[in-house]
Amino acid sequence: NAGVTQTPKFQVLKTGQSMTLQCAQDMNHEYMSWYRQDPGMGLRLIHYSVGAGITDQGEVPNGYNVSRSTTEDFPLRLLSAAPSQTSVYFCASSYSTSGSGEQYFGPGTRLTVT
Amino acid sequence: DAKTTQPPSMDCAEGRAANLPCNHSTISGNEYVYWYRQIHSQGPQYIIHGLKNNETNEMASLIITEDRKSSTLILPHATLRDTAVYYCIVRVLRDSNYQLIWGAGTKLIIKP
Repeated sequence: NAGVTQTPKFQVLKTGQSMTLQCAQDMNHEYMSWYRQDPGMGLRLIHYSVGAGITDQGEVPNGYNVSRSTTEDFPLRLLSAAPSQTSVYFCASSYSTSGSGEQYFGPGTRLTVT
Repeated sequence: DAKTTQPPSMDCAEGRAANLPCNHSTISGNEYVYWYRQIHSQGPQYIIHGLKNNETNEMASLIITEDRKSSTLILPHATLRDTAVYYCIVRVLRDSNYQLIWGAGTKLIIKP
Protein backbone atom coordinates (compact mmCIF):
# COMPACT_ATOMS: atom_id res chain seq x y z
CA ASN A 1 0.00 0.00 0.00
CA ALA A 2 1.24 3.45 -0.92
CA GLY A 3 -1.09 5.02 1.67
CA VAL A 4 -1.83 8.69 1.03
CA THR A 5 0.14 10.31 -1.78
CA GLN A 6 0.34 13.98 -2.70
CA THR A 7 1.71 15.80 -5.72
CA PRO A 8 3.57 18.00 -6.24
CA LYS A 9 5.95 18.12 -3.25
CA PHE A 10 6.86 21.75 -3.89
CA GLN A 11 5.20 24.51 -5.92
CA VAL A 12 5.80 28.21 -6.49
CA LEU A 13 2.96 30.30 -7.88
CA LYS A 14 2.54 33.92 -8.77
CA THR A 15 -0.35 35.88 -7.30
CA GLY A 16 -3.52 35.26 -9.29
CA GLN A 17 -2.46 31.92 -10.77
CA SER A 18 -4.56 28.84 -10.22
CA MET A 19 -3.49 25.26 -9.62
CA THR A 20 -4.66 21.90 -8.35
CA LEU A 21 -3.00 19.93 -5.55
CA GLN A 22 -3.48 16.22 -6.05
CA CYS A 23 -4.24 13.69 -3.32
CA ALA A 24 -4.86 9.97 -3.67
CA GLN A 25 -5.26 7.06 -1.25
CA ASP A 26 -5.32 3.31 -1.86
CA MET A 27 -6.87 2.22 1.45
CA ASN A 28 -10.50 2.45 0.29
CA HIS A 29 -11.19 5.11 2.91
CA GLU A 30 -14.43 7.04 2.60
CA TYR A 31 -13.31 10.07 4.60
CA MET A 32 -10.71 12.43 3.12
CA SER A 33 -9.65 15.90 4.16
CA TRP A 34 -7.35 18.80 3.37
CA TYR A 35 -5.45 20.82 5.99
CA ARG A 36 -3.06 23.72 5.83
CA GLN A 37 -0.20 24.31 8.25
CA ASP A 38 1.37 27.72 8.68
CA PRO A 39 4.80 28.08 10.33
CA GLY A 40 4.83 27.23 14.03
CA MET A 41 1.15 26.37 14.08
CA GLY A 42 -1.08 23.36 14.13
CA LEU A 43 -3.16 22.16 11.20
CA ARG A 44 -6.39 23.86 10.13
CA LEU A 45 -9.11 22.04 8.22
CA ILE A 46 -9.91 23.45 4.76
CA HIS A 47 -12.42 20.99 3.25
CA TYR A 48 -13.41 17.41 3.83
CA SER A 49 -15.39 14.65 2.15
CA VAL A 50 -17.28 11.71 3.66
CA GLY A 51 -17.57 9.86 0.37
CA ALA A 52 -17.63 10.19 -3.41
CA GLY A 53 -19.85 13.09 -4.46
CA ILE A 54 -20.01 14.60 -0.95
CA THR A 55 -17.86 17.51 0.22
CA ASP A 56 -18.12 20.10 2.98
CA GLN A 57 -16.27 23.11 4.35
CA GLY A 58 -13.91 23.13 7.29
CA GLU A 59 -12.50 26.05 9.30
CA VAL A 60 -10.73 27.92 6.47
CA PRO A 61 -12.42 27.14 3.11
CA ASN A 62 -12.21 30.56 1.41
CA GLY A 63 -10.13 30.56 -1.77
CA TYR A 64 -10.22 26.77 -2.19
CA ASN A 65 -12.48 24.35 -4.05
CA VAL A 66 -12.70 20.57 -3.85
CA SER A 67 -14.53 17.77 -5.60
CA ARG A 68 -14.72 14.02 -4.99
CA SER A 69 -15.61 12.02 -8.08
CA THR A 70 -13.95 8.78 -6.90
CA THR A 71 -13.19 7.20 -3.53
CA GLU A 72 -9.46 7.34 -4.25
CA ASP A 73 -8.92 10.97 -5.29
CA PHE A 74 -9.58 14.29 -3.56
CA PRO A 75 -7.99 17.24 -5.42
CA LEU A 76 -7.75 20.73 -3.92
CA ARG A 77 -8.01 23.69 -6.28
CA LEU A 78 -6.67 27.15 -5.61
CA LEU A 79 -8.78 29.49 -7.71
CA SER A 80 -6.63 32.64 -7.65
CA ALA A 81 -3.53 32.25 -5.51
CA ALA A 82 -2.71 34.87 -2.88
CA PRO A 83 0.41 35.29 -0.71
CA SER A 84 -1.73 34.42 2.33
CA GLN A 85 -2.08 30.91 0.89
CA THR A 86 1.64 30.27 1.27
CA SER A 87 1.62 27.22 3.50
CA VAL A 88 2.16 23.48 3.72
CA TYR A 89 -0.88 21.50 2.63
CA PHE A 90 -1.64 18.05 3.98
CA CYS A 91 -4.18 15.57 2.73
CA ALA A 92 -5.51 12.87 5.07
CA SER A 93 -7.87 9.92 4.93
CA SER A 94 -9.72 7.84 7.51
CA TYR A 95 -11.69 4.61 7.54
CA SER A 96 -14.38 6.29 9.62
CA THR A 97 -16.95 8.14 7.51
CA SER A 98 -17.55 10.67 10.28
CA GLY A 99 -13.88 11.55 10.62
CA SER A 100 -13.76 10.11 14.12
CA GLY A 101 -11.07 7.51 13.55
CA GLU A 102 -7.34 7.67 13.08
CA GLN A 103 -6.37 9.85 10.14
CA TYR A 104 -3.52 8.90 7.81
CA PHE A 105 -1.62 11.85 6.39
CA GLY A 106 0.26 12.35 3.16
CA PRO A 107 3.76 13.87 3.03
CA GLY A 108 2.51 17.37 2.23
CA THR A 109 2.82 19.96 -0.53
CA ARG A 110 4.88 23.07 0.19
CA LEU A 111 3.32 26.00 -1.63
CA THR A 112 4.81 29.46 -1.99
CA VAL A 113 2.82 32.30 -3.55
CA THR A 114 4.84 35.35 -4.60
CA ASP B 1 -9.60 28.72 18.09
CA ALA B 2 -7.50 26.03 19.69
CA LYS B 3 -9.01 24.28 22.67
CA THR B 4 -5.70 23.01 24.05
CA THR B 5 -2.64 24.57 25.68
CA GLN B 6 0.78 22.90 25.63
CA PRO B 7 4.30 23.99 26.60
CA PRO B 8 6.16 25.08 23.46
CA SER B 9 9.16 22.82 24.10
CA MET B 10 10.53 20.09 26.36
CA ASP B 11 13.68 18.01 26.69
CA CYS B 12 13.97 14.40 27.80
CA ALA B 13 16.94 12.06 28.21
CA GLU B 14 17.09 9.01 25.98
CA GLY B 15 15.73 5.93 27.73
CA ARG B 16 13.68 7.93 30.24
CA ALA B 17 9.93 8.41 30.19
CA ALA B 18 8.74 11.54 28.39
CA ASN B 19 5.66 13.13 29.98
CA LEU B 20 3.92 15.70 27.82
CA PRO B 21 1.20 17.78 29.51
CA CYS B 22 -1.87 19.32 27.88
CA ASN B 23 -4.57 21.60 29.26
CA HIS B 24 -8.06 21.47 27.76
CA SER B 25 -10.14 23.19 30.43
CA THR B 26 -13.05 24.03 28.07
CA ILE B 27 -13.53 20.50 26.76
CA SER B 28 -17.12 19.28 26.57
CA GLY B 29 -18.33 15.98 27.94
CA ASN B 30 -18.42 14.13 24.61
CA GLU B 31 -15.23 15.56 23.08
CA TYR B 32 -12.29 13.21 22.74
CA VAL B 33 -8.61 14.05 23.24
CA TYR B 34 -6.29 12.95 20.44
CA TRP B 35 -2.51 12.99 20.20
CA TYR B 36 -0.54 13.15 16.96
CA ARG B 37 3.13 13.80 16.33
CA GLN B 38 4.99 15.33 13.42
CA ILE B 39 8.60 14.43 12.67
CA HIS B 40 10.72 16.83 10.58
CA SER B 41 7.68 18.51 8.96
CA GLN B 42 6.43 15.16 7.60
CA GLY B 43 2.74 14.34 7.66
CA PRO B 44 1.40 13.96 11.21
CA GLN B 45 1.23 10.47 12.72
CA TYR B 46 -1.55 9.26 15.00
CA ILE B 47 -0.49 8.18 18.50
CA ILE B 48 -3.49 7.63 20.75
CA HIS B 49 -6.88 9.01 21.78
CA GLY B 50 -9.27 8.82 24.73
CA LEU B 51 -12.43 10.21 26.33
CA LYS B 52 -12.10 9.81 30.09
CA ASN B 53 -10.41 6.51 30.84
CA ASN B 54 -6.65 6.05 30.67
CA GLU B 55 -5.52 4.45 27.43
CA THR B 56 -2.40 2.52 26.42
CA ASN B 57 -1.12 1.18 23.13
CA GLU B 58 2.22 0.07 21.73
CA MET B 59 3.40 3.64 21.32
CA ALA B 60 2.25 5.50 24.42
CA SER B 61 -0.08 5.92 27.37
CA LEU B 62 -2.68 8.64 27.80
CA ILE B 63 -3.64 9.75 31.30
CA ILE B 64 -6.75 11.97 31.53
CA THR B 65 -7.62 13.68 34.81
CA GLU B 66 -10.94 12.89 36.42
CA ASP B 67 -12.33 16.37 35.65
CA ARG B 68 -11.05 15.96 32.05
CA LYS B 69 -9.48 19.43 32.10
CA SER B 70 -6.00 18.12 31.41
CA SER B 71 -4.12 15.08 30.17
CA THR B 72 -0.61 13.70 29.90
CA LEU B 73 0.93 11.70 27.09
CA ILE B 74 3.62 9.30 28.29
CA LEU B 75 6.29 7.81 26.04
CA PRO B 76 7.67 5.13 28.40
CA HIS B 77 11.22 4.76 27.02
CA ALA B 78 12.04 7.68 24.77
CA THR B 79 14.47 7.18 21.88
CA LEU B 80 16.15 9.70 19.61
CA ARG B 81 13.56 8.87 16.95
CA ASP B 82 10.84 10.25 19.24
CA THR B 83 12.15 13.79 18.68
CA ALA B 84 9.14 15.52 17.11
CA VAL B 85 6.38 18.07 17.62
CA TYR B 86 3.56 16.51 19.64
CA TYR B 87 0.03 17.84 19.20
CA CYS B 88 -2.73 17.54 21.76
CA ILE B 89 -6.03 17.88 19.91
CA VAL B 90 -9.69 18.04 20.80
CA ARG B 91 -12.17 16.37 18.49
CA VAL B 92 -15.36 18.41 18.17
CA LEU B 93 -18.66 17.65 16.44
CA ARG B 94 -19.62 20.18 13.76
CA ASP B 95 -22.31 19.78 11.11
CA SER B 96 -22.76 16.09 11.99
CA ASN B 97 -19.09 15.33 11.40
CA TYR B 98 -16.06 15.31 13.64
CA GLN B 99 -13.25 17.81 13.24
CA LEU B 100 -9.87 17.93 14.93
CA ILE B 101 -8.98 21.29 16.49
CA TRP B 102 -5.18 21.49 16.61
CA GLY B 103 -3.05 23.61 18.93
CA ALA B 104 0.53 24.74 18.36
CA GLY B 105 2.08 21.59 19.87
CA THR B 106 5.12 20.80 22.02
CA LYS B 107 8.52 20.34 20.43
CA LEU B 108 10.05 17.36 22.25
CA ILE B 109 13.81 16.93 21.99
CA ILE B 110 15.28 13.61 23.11
CA LYS B 111 18.90 14.01 24.19
CA PRO B 112 21.50 11.19 24.21
